[in-house]
Amino acid sequence: AQSVTQLGSHVSVSEGALVLLRCNYSSSVPPYLFWYVQYPNQGLQLLLKYTSAATLVKGINGFEAEFKKSETSFHLTKPSAHMSDAAEYFCAVSPGGGNKLTFGTGTQLKVEL
Amino acid sequence: GAVVSQHPSWVICKSGTSVKIECRSLDFQATTMFWYRQFPKQSLMLMATSNEGSKATYEQGVEKDKFLINHASLTLSTLTVTSAHPEDSSFYICSAREPGQTQETQYFGPGTRLLVL
Repeated sequence: AQSVTQLGSHVSVSEGALVLLRCNYSSSVPPYLFWYVQYPNQGLQLLLKYTSAATLVKGINGFEAEFKKSETSFHLTKPSAHMSDAAEYFCAVSPGGGNKLTFGTGTQLKVEL
Repeated sequence: GAVVSQHPSWVICKSGTSVKIECRSLDFQATTMFWYRQFPKQSLMLMATSNEGSKATYEQGVEKDKFLINHASLTLSTLTVTSAHPEDSSFYICSAREPGQTQETQYFGPGTRLLVL
């Protein structure tokens, strides 16, 4: 069984500031981990994924995430927030690449001037 | 990139009626499609997996007779909520996967918001 916890349903940052969205997972087998972004009225879009290769994963739009097994974490970061980053972000886990994705409850990112 | 559409984007219906939601892969063929449900402030929950030309596989706790899934072609899957009740009000999201793609690769539709009065 697997689960995902996203700490903070709402995160607000200033434009240009560091973005940090937290995700902790639980999995009985080596996990694959994902971050998705959802803009209003659009489908979830894959930002990046960890599939047991490099622990630091770079994604689109300047985002990256680091898999830390000891902390069971997969936090999403971006050095400098842009207004266009405002969206909802979902962390997800699947059991070693199996079909089933288990999602967190999402974090709404707000970027302020 | 691969695009998945859903229709309608939102629907309001009376209790007891049935509602059909369509999920289409616009520029690729999808051998596998997934249906999720998301209640307010909760995560997306997988309801069922459908493979083209075969019966859907439902997750535990999902009533297959209430949520009818048809995946009759490589570009279309439908979810019919039969005899809808207010507790079925939710955000329904589909995703699709191309043949040959790794298992975790799914392209998501924008979702359908259902409100049952």
